[in-house]
Amino acid sequence: DSGVTQTPKHLITATGQRVTLRCSPRSGDLSVYWYQQSLDQGLQFLIQYYNGEERAKGNILERFSAQQFPDLHSELNLSSLELGDSALYFCASSPSAGGNTGELFFGEGSRLTVL
Amino acid sequence: GENVEQHPSTLSVQEGDSAVIKCTYSDSASNYFPWYKQELGKRPQLIIDIRSNVGEKKDQRIAVTLNKTAKHFSLHITETQPEDSAVYFCAPHFTGNQFYFGTGTSLTVIP
Repeated sequence: DSGVTQTPKHLITATGQRVTLRCSPRSGDLSVYWYQQSLDQGLQFLIQYYNGEERAKGNILERFSAQQFPDLHSELNLSSLELGDSALYFCASSPSAGGNTGELFFGEGSRLTVL
Repeated sequence: GENVEQHPSTLSVQEGDSAVIKCTYSDSASNYFPWYKQELGKRPQLIIDIRSNVGEKKDQRIAVTLNKTAKHFSLHITETQPEDSAVYFCAPHFTGNQFYFGTGTSLTVIP
């Protein structure tokens, strides 16, 4: 158990809909990262937050948005869903924002299926 | 995103043989070089990492070597076992607080 909690574990929805994925980082970790992993694909970096502020943005679509709340949990919002958005979405946390960076601790992922 | 190339994409070895996976990155300012293992249906987990002030690090059957001049680092697994079968990802840390993962190497250890 990494200490990172993601909900829901599985989600099935229709095209055009909107969903919210939730992540609770390890106790004490200030950084949260979101990654998308499509079938048989690598891990695509989406976005990173540190202590409530956006710190880095990767290949995140405009239809997607995220935020980190004062209690440090984070939410990834996916809207106007398309079939190609079907993927496993991972959240990871780490103590630092960069500089003396280190290990990313991953949650179990949220599997999104868009029909 | 930043350029991270990982080779080979698939690798099959006999149990007991060695496996080597290479990761090439583009950002010369990178200073942290981890390798993650992802078993089927599971989350990625760190198996070994190295920082830019050392050239090699070893942990039992696993080692990582770094060549900062050439901008690549490699994962070495010796005496491979069936439980080493998984997908391995490199994830060099880039300036701007980003971890870009390589495309992954699917390792199969044949008993």
